[in-house]
Amino acid sequence: AQTVTQSQPEMSVQEAETVTLSCTYDTSESDYYLFWYKQPPSRQMILVIRQEAYKQQNATENRFSVNFQKAAKSFSLKISDSQLGDAAMYFCAYRRAGADGLTFGKGTHLIIQP
Amino acid sequence: DSGVTQTPKHLITATGQRVTLRCSPRSGDLSVYWYQQSLDQGLQFLIQYYNGEERAKGNILERFSAQQFPDLHSELNLSSLELGDSALYFCASSVGRGASTDTQYFGPGTRLTVL
Repeated sequence: AQTVTQSQPEMSVQEAETVTLSCTYDTSESDYYLFWYKQPPSRQMILVIRQEAYKQQNATENRFSVNFQKAAKSFSLKISDSQLGDAAMYFCAYRRAGADGLTFGKGTHLIIQP
Repeated sequence: DSGVTQTPKHLITATGQRVTLRCSPRSGDLSVYWYQQSLDQGLQFLIQYYNGEERAKGNILERFSAQQFPDLHSELNLSSLELGDSALYFCASSVGRGASTDTQYFGPGTRLTVL
């Protein structure tokens, strides 16, 4: 069974600085997708970024980018120019190819210091 | 707004009771997924339906069941409720064909409290 591990329960960063959230996963599949979801205090789950395992190029969405290391099974999220609105729980998630449920990590609570 | 709707927003009930949670997917999405978020277990995938048929099962208890109707809305039924079933229940939807672009969009959730 696949597992997703987020080793940082909480991270803190100064506004306008850069922060990196870590995620590792374990799978025997070769084709899969990885995601970062954000959950602000409203509890809504919001997709931040998506990475296909077959793509070598790291995904980027505005201030959000990932460092995908397939051999190491690592998928970290970098947030540049941190803003107060980035404060939230961030969940790393895995899905094997084919429509299937997501496997989530335990989450990282990101605090933005003004 | 993701386009996925869930009702009710909050539900308070007693142990041993049965409740039904409802979800309407985004327009055009054929797949519906149910997730449970609790302090103990984190976010767990429960079950997926695609175009009315069960497609994948996760950590769903035997006391729980779900279905997807012809209009594609879905209901999650929770019976013989226990204190530990108190959680936030999310519904998500996607096109459902399993492609890389098959992103799951989440509803706002139903907060279930079992007293």
